[in-house]
Amino acid sequence: DIVMTQGALPNPVPSGESASITCQSSKSLLHSNGKTYLNWYLQRPGQSPQLLIYWMSTRASGVSDRFSGSGSGTDFTLKISSVEAEDVGVYYCQQFLEYPLTFGSGTKLEIK
Amino acid sequence: EVKLLESGGGLVQPGGSLRLSCAASGFTFTDFYMSWIRQPPGKAPEWLGVIRNKANGYTTEYNPSVKGRFTISRDNTQNILYLQMNTLRAEDTAIYYCARLGKGFFDYWGQGVMVTVSS
Repeated sequence: DIVMTQGALPNPVPSGESASITCQSSKSLLHSNGKTYLNWYLQRPGQSPQLLIYWMSTRASGVSDRFSGSGSGTDFTLKISSVEAEDVGVYYCQQFLEYPLTFGSGTKLEIK
Repeated sequence: EVKLLESGGGLVQPGGSLRLSCAASGFTFTDFYMSWIRQPPGKAPEWLGVIRNKANGYTTEYNPSVKGRFTISRDNTQNILYLQMNTLRAEDTAIYYCARLGKGFFDYWGQGVMVTVSS
């Protein structure tokens, strides 16, 4: 199985500051078709996860441009510029390269 | 508007069985792969399995952690996704979500249903 390892945030993050969340995969997620199958989700308190970023760097429909994804085949970063109260929750990375599909353990964001 | 609504959760004794349903609306159900994902309280989501779309013969894949105990199926006339869970254990206690698959991501999730396995 592909293991997804996420980093922690130095919580709480002051409102208006930027935050970067890291994720590392145990295998390259770069497919032969050129796409990197790494996704990011946000789970707000009491809610289901929602898609933020797919294919490593493509924002999902309706997602603020304050969210951006970047990385290589095995090392990835989700950057949130100018964090706001609505960004509070747990962020998960997830690989879609091969079965079984796997998630990272999550990174909690708190706002000051 | 895409909607996914799970039902069928509850309290079940160890060794028991339960069938969850997920009613889908707002899209052409047969065009999409569908998955079940669970999340134990305070933990990360765990993918359980997928059932492919009509074009791919509605075949299935499972996480080895549940293969042989859990079965995913779909009723394409009523747009319902199912998860049959057998020989349940305490560690199966979780919120269970159904999710629609886009081209390499889960683009819509249901609100989830709680399953508690306890005597």
